[in-house]
Amino acid sequence: GQNIDQPTEMTATEGAIVQINCTYQTSGFNGLFWYQQHAGEAPTFLSYNVLDGLEEKGRFSSFLSRSKGYSYLLLKELQMKDSASYLCAVGHASGGSYIPTFGRGTSLIVHP
Amino acid sequence: DAGVIQSPRHEVTEMGQEVTLRCKPISGHNSLFWYRQTMMRGLELLIYFNNNVPIDDSGMPEDRFSAKMPNASFSTLKIQPSEPRDSAVYFCASSLGPTEKQFFGPGTRLTVL
Repeated sequence: GQNIDQPTEMTATEGAIVQINCTYQTSGFNGLFWYQQHAGEAPTFLSYNVLDGLEEKGRFSSFLSRSKGYSYLLLKELQMKDSASYLCAVGHASGGSYIPTFGRGTSLIVHP
Repeated sequence: DAGVIQSPRHEVTEMGQEVTLRCKPISGHNSLFWYRQTMMRGLELLIYFNNNVPIDDSGMPEDRFSAKMPNASFSTLKIQPSEPRDSAVYFCASSLGPTEKQFFGPGTRLTVL
């Protein structure tokens, strides 16, 4: 089976930097996704890593280490609108194909 | 594009009734996923279709749940009979392929009394 761990909740201050970690154990790894989900809304795609290293996209960056089964999402210059749940999803082999399994999500609270 | 379309947005029903949730994926997307989200269990994959064929339904809770995809532009998730523990938000998502980023519909909030 798949095992994905994320912190349940984090708090940070507006303008600061926050790092949300995700560790995983899986068979047939095929990429790692980060999604953002605001309360009462659907998840939306943020980033995708399949190779080791850092992917930067504006204020958001995502890092992957396949050997360590580890990823993080880095949010810079935090804004109040960044308060949301952040879901780590790991692509893995299943039924002759690859599908993602989602972690429980990290609820980020940004305060003034 | 209108994005992934789900209906209804809200459904309140009584235990024992049949519930049908509907999804229209983004045109051109070959993969379709049905998820259930609750506070207790998070986002769970129920079933995944590729090119209209069910590939992985290991997440379907039990025989009360069934899903179909008769064509590339329509899928249904049916619960019969429904139970209070089925109360959750059900999301449909589509993607170009199983390893591509997914686009989620707005979800159906189901309440079974």
